[in-house]
Amino acid sequence: RKEVEQDPGPFNVPEGATVAFNCTYSNSASQSFFWYRQDCRKEPKLLMSVYSSGNEDGRFTAQLNRASQYISLLIRDSKLSDSATYLCVVNFYNQGGKLIFGQGTELSVKP
Amino acid sequence: DAGVIQSPRHEVTEMGQEVTLRCKPISGHNSLFWYRQTMMRGLELLIYFNNNVPIDDSGMPEDRFSAKMPNASFSTLKIQPSEPRDSAVYFCASSAQASGNTIYFGEGSWLTVV
Repeated sequence: RKEVEQDPGPFNVPEGATVAFNCTYSNSASQSFFWYRQDCRKEPKLLMSVYSSGNEDGRFTAQLNRASQYISLLIRDSKLSDSATYLCVVNFYNQGGKLIFGQGTELSVKP
Repeated sequence: DAGVIQSPRHEVTEMGQEVTLRCKPISGHNSLFWYRQTMMRGLELLIYFNNNVPIDDSGMPEDRFSAKMPNASFSTLKIQPSEPRDSAVYFCASSAQASGNTIYFGEGSWLTVV
């Protein structure tokens, strides 16, 4: 089993749609979680951290479920500019704090 | 502020040649990471340093790969000899304790081995 798993997609959605991505992780000791966004031929950039109580940033909402060991990202009212690959990132504290990335979920928002 | 700086941005080399990738982390950051990204395997952590000391190199594929961090502002990833399967984008990233482990990536070094 991979340490961090995501559905690779692609997710093809129309503008204005709501789309959700899930990510599962294998290490129950993990303490920090993030979503990164990567545009084609660019480096990954932080989208948002994921807090235990869940958190929202505009159209983006992140949730954490420790019992089931998954995190999610919800995008509301999707825009063409949201088209990118979304990477789930988990900090494995009991492995020296290394950050492990999921494979990424590709999102394509169409007009 | 300058971000993570990597060089070269693009390199095409022949199989068997030595490749050296360079990275300057963000000033004040004490952790440095080398990742490799391919379509097949995604983003893989190769090695990371904390305060210039290698903490985990379990992701380094084989002895042909080596990484050093002689000081807080410079790191190298070396491949010798290079092989076509090493073709990938190599990202360097850095983070500071104060940033809650948020890591910041350089623009990557695009390596093609022919």
